[in-house]
Amino acid sequence: GIQVEQSPPDLILQEGANSTLRCNFSDSVNNLQWFHQNPWGQLINLFYIPSGTKQNGRLSATTVATERYSLLYISSSQTTDSGVYFCAVEPSTGTASKLTFGTGTRLQVTL
Amino acid sequence: NAGVTQTPKFQVLKTGQSMTLQCAQDMNHNSMYWYRQDPGMGLRLIYYSASEGTTDKGEVPNGYNVSRLNKREFSLRLESAAPSQTSVYFCASSKLVSDTQYFGPGTRLTVL
Repeated sequence: GIQVEQSPPDLILQEGANSTLRCNFSDSVNNLQWFHQNPWGQLINLFYIPSGTKQNGRLSATTVATERYSLLYISSSQTTDSGVYFCAVEPSTGTASKLTFGTGTRLQVTL
Repeated sequence: NAGVTQTPKFQVLKTGQSMTLQCAQDMNHNSMYWYRQDPGMGLRLIYYSASEGTTDKGEVPNGYNVSRLNKREFSLRLESAAPSQTSVYFCASSKLVSDTQYFGPGTRLTVL
């Protein structure tokens, strides 16, 4: 099946710093989504981005489908950004709706 | 508009017991999903329902059954719980397959 690798696995930032999280995938995809899991366990969808660039406030994401990677940018980080960020993909050749998740990047934002 | 709701929030079972996890969504979504999340790992798809009346296996279906009761509700049943099924279970829904998925708050299940 498709492989999804996220880097870095762990990241510690001071409040106000910027960061870039990366998601590499091993096959072409129909669907790529970024999620944030907060410290209480709730999963929030951040972006649906199979290709191109999207922005939502301090967060933006870019997917280069031809090169099989996606980047999530967090600017001016805040303590509320802490948690785990997951990338999930649906391969083009597989069954629709079967998302495969990466193992996540754990972000800690300190004061 | 509650989104996706799950019951119960926590459950402790003994090996061999059975239970059903309930999930409901009020967003008029067609597709629903059950995932499990184990420590240090991403989520893995157990079963999904692309539309009312259909269900299909995901990556890790063994030991589970599902029922798409109607458009709103999708339940997950453990017939004979095993310690390997200790996990956090998430339900999700999307308007159509391959659309943005919205998650419930999760059920933390421990099997002793």
